[in-house]
Amino acid sequence: GAGVSQSPRYKVAKRGQDVALRCDPISGHVSLFWYQQALGQGPEFLTYFQNEAQLDKSGLPSDRFFAERPEGSVSTLKIQRTQQEDSAVYLCASSSRLAGAQETQYFGPGTRLLVL
Amino acid sequence: DQQVKQNSPSLSVQEGRISILNCDYTNSMFDYFLWYKKYPAEGPTFLISISSIKDKNEDGRFTVFLNKSAKHLSLHIVPSQPGDSAVYFCAARGGGSNYKLTFGKGTLLTVNP
Repeated sequence: GAGVSQSPRYKVAKRGQDVALRCDPISGHVSLFWYQQALGQGPEFLTYFQNEAQLDKSGLPSDRFFAERPEGSVSTLKIQRTQQEDSAVYLCASSSRLAGAQETQYFGPGTRLLVL
Repeated sequence: DQQVKQNSPSLSVQEGRISILNCDYTNSMFDYFLWYKKYPAEGPTFLISISSIKDKNEDGRFTVFLNKSAKHLSLHIVPSQPGDSAVYFCAARGGGSNYKLTFGKGTLLTVNP
């Protein structure tokens, strides 16, 4: 595809359910990022992959959050035992080269998660 | 502690006039700044960026100005068009990380016909 795609676009979960959010980055992009955007806030960094290696997971809010990118392309963000505070838009971004100076991150449309 | 601040939640301008969106930052280690535009139900779209070694970058109707001593940047849109109506996010990179973007809360720009 031409851009970053994410699925599902919307997800409603009951508190305590596990969810999995998928990101398909731009083909060939080395770097992949996940961000969380709460209502009325800007996106906040969650985690960063360089190919299949997760180099930074410092932004993950708790050990209920887990991300993987096993083959260096598609990534999945998994949230276990969802809580109401997990309700947010989850954005995926990718960039073409190793993350560094002046490298633009291109964002997908996001997955809006609502935990009831 | 918010390191990137957009103090105006909203801005309304007339079509054809100039739109000026402001952004302040506190971390002097930031060395690269970006503006993203976001329409409802879409992801942020990259608009324009500037390195800390410059004080101005221009791309068509969009110009970003950086004042490092004041830790302030601004995005100018001239002339403004109704299609520019969106939320604009200021983002910064650096400060110990060469990939992590730190975003402001965004400013909703409305351009009235």
